[in-house]
Amino acid sequence: DVKVTQSSRYLVKRTGEKVFLECVQDMDHENMFWYRQDPGLGLRLIYFSYDVKMKEKGDIPEGYSVSREKKERFSLILESASTNQTSMYLCASTLRSSYNEQFFGPGTRLTVL
Amino acid sequence: AQKITQTQPGMFVQEKEAVTLDCTYDTSDQSYGLFWYKQPSSGEMIFLIYQGSYDEQNATEGRYSLNFQKARKSANLVISASQLGDSAMYFCAMRRDGDSSYKLIFGSGTRLLVRP
Repeated sequence: DVKVTQSSRYLVKRTGEKVFLECVQDMDHENMFWYRQDPGLGLRLIYFSYDVKMKEKGDIPEGYSVSREKKERFSLILESASTNQTSMYLCASTLRSSYNEQFFGPGTRLTVL
Repeated sequence: AQKITQTQPGMFVQEKEAVTLDCTYDTSDQSYGLFWYKQPSSGEMIFLIYQGSYDEQNATEGRYSLNFQKARKSANLVISASQLGDSAMYFCAMRRDGDSSYKLIFGSGTRLLVRP
């Protein structure tokens, strides 16, 4: 069974802390994504990666960075967490094919106090 | 720029009835794919159905069907014989063919509540 896992379901951090969100997929997918989900806004793309050590900015990259040292692992980093980064974070991966869906992890609900 | 619009923030449906969730999209591309995802209260995103822009037949997957009207740029999801477990958020999404990122553009979602 295909699987995308995320390191935490719930996370509470303080303003200014450095936060790491980890995502691992076991499907040998090339492309991986980080989204944030906020009520009324749907899912918005933060960053994506199409290969190891390759990354591209999405629609809302400010305040975030990413790392992809291995094909199966894609990390989202909040260098200095702020309260407006309180959100649900979803990781996804996909094969490079027009009709293949993205597979999502269970999500991490991050609260920044 | 591409955009997905879901105009129904919330909907109710009676158990065992059919329901249509609206989705319209805006794109100048000729080749693209449309997806629907379900998100239960547990949070995970579940893929439901896919429609390619060149597919002549509407996609169907069990109780889910996609009413694709290309000229009107709409891709509505139809759920037949609603069940209590269908209560969830539903997202419509689009992807451009030929975009090497394979990223999805999502709508704001529709929350469906199935009444017993």
